[in-house]
Amino acid sequence: KNEVEQSPQNLTAQEGEFITINCSYSVGISALHWLQQHPGGGIVSLFMLSSGKKKHGRLIATINIQEKHSSLHITASHPRDSAVYICAVILLGGSGGSNYKLTFGKGTLLTVNP
Amino acid sequence: DTGVSQDPRHKITKRGQNVTFRCDPISEHNRLYWYRQTLGQGPEFLTYFQNEAQLEKSRLLSDRFSAERPKGSFSTLEIQRTEQGDSAMYLCASSLPRQQFFGPGTRLTVL
Repeated sequence: KNEVEQSPQNLTAQEGEFITINCSYSVGISALHWLQQHPGGGIVSLFMLSSGKKKHGRLIATINIQEKHSSLHITASHPRDSAVYICAVILLGGSGGSNYKLTFGKGTLLTVNP
Repeated sequence: DTGVSQDPRHKITKRGQNVTFRCDPISEHNRLYWYRQTLGQGPEFLTYFQNEAQLEKSRLLSDRFSAERPKGSFSTLEIQRTEQGDSAMYLCASSLPRQQFFGPGTRLTVL
């Protein structure tokens, strides 16, 4: 079983719809990232969370540390939001010291149709 | 553009050949990571540098793989005697300290 699980794996929406992508993890973490990957490979960091909620434009990310769960919401979705969204965590303790390596989920492929 | 660059962006090679990739991180970042991503999967950690010191290597990094960061700035990842299973996207990220900035990746195809 992967340490980081995302759902759904694929999501198709119509422009304007409210979208939720979920991430569950099974280990202690010090932080969680939501990342966006467009075709061609480049990855952009959207949020880094260790508690609560963050908002940037139409994107909202929440995390519940006790339930080991995070969600990424997109309001008023647009075709340009089509991408793979990846949840990644920094494990608590991990290798120790200063290595903040990421452990990734498999990603959610979002397609927003006009 | 995140400020992290990778070269080349694409590499096609024949099985058994050696390949080398380069990553130029954001200049003030002392931490540098290499990850590998196969089709349909999330990236997986390969190795980590703090300045010029390679502090951790994944068990995914067989002895055919070697990485360096000679002056604590750019880094290279070399794969010797490539195999078809090495075909993947190789991603570099730099950070200061926890938020990581990713390069565009090098897509390797081994024929």
